[in-house]
Amino acid sequence: DVKVTQSSRYLVKRTGEKVFLECVQDMDHENMFWYRQDPGLGLRLIYFSYDVKMKEKGDIPEGYSVSREKKERFSLILESASTNQTSMYLCASSLPNQGPYGYTFGSGTRLTVV
Amino acid sequence: QKEVEQNSGPLSVPEGAIASLNCTYSDRGSQSFFWYRQYSGKSPELIMSIYSNGDKEDGRFTAQLNKASQYVSLLIRDSQPSDSATYLCAVANAGGTSYGKLTFGQGTILTVHP
Repeated sequence: DVKVTQSSRYLVKRTGEKVFLECVQDMDHENMFWYRQDPGLGLRLIYFSYDVKMKEKGDIPEGYSVSREKKERFSLILESASTNQTSMYLCASSLPNQGPYGYTFGSGTRLTVV
Repeated sequence: QKEVEQNSGPLSVPEGAIASLNCTYSDRGSQSFFWYRQYSGKSPELIMSIYSNGDKEDGRFTAQLNKASQYVSLLIRDSQPSDSATYLCAVANAGGTSYGKLTFGQGTILTVHP
């Protein structure tokens, strides 16, 4: 019954590395989102996509990029990882205008940059 | 001013009591409102959605919406220790380019003690 899958639960990377976080959903949702969650700061939107090859910046896009080549897959890329990107990363998907179901979240990836 | 603001926690209630969680939002055109529960180390899960003014009940949970006051709340009756979690209020942005984005509050930590 898995609906939104994030490729890694825990990840440790070195400063300066290029990091790929993958998210796959099997619900045929148009919208996909990447958030990061930090204590005291809540969920902050990094990027979102409302269609294949379409993307929009969220509130904190600096240092990140995204790719959506297929409807079911939305990748978050850290171009050159830095220690301040250590965080919990959450992927979510939804219907257009989210409908009555809001978002469905993946299980999250806890990234540590050393 | 934060777009979505939740009452500061943590909130501690005894088992069997009513827990009251509050949320205000700044965008008067917001149309859809959601409450998510997040256990420690887990991803958020949807527990309630509400669109119209008034109350919406689902088991022990009641969501209340007052659009004139830009206020949404969640009541948990007969609180149980298993309700101990962080509760996130989320508001769907209005407007044609919103694509169903949700803006989250910072969360309220609820502890139900036996």
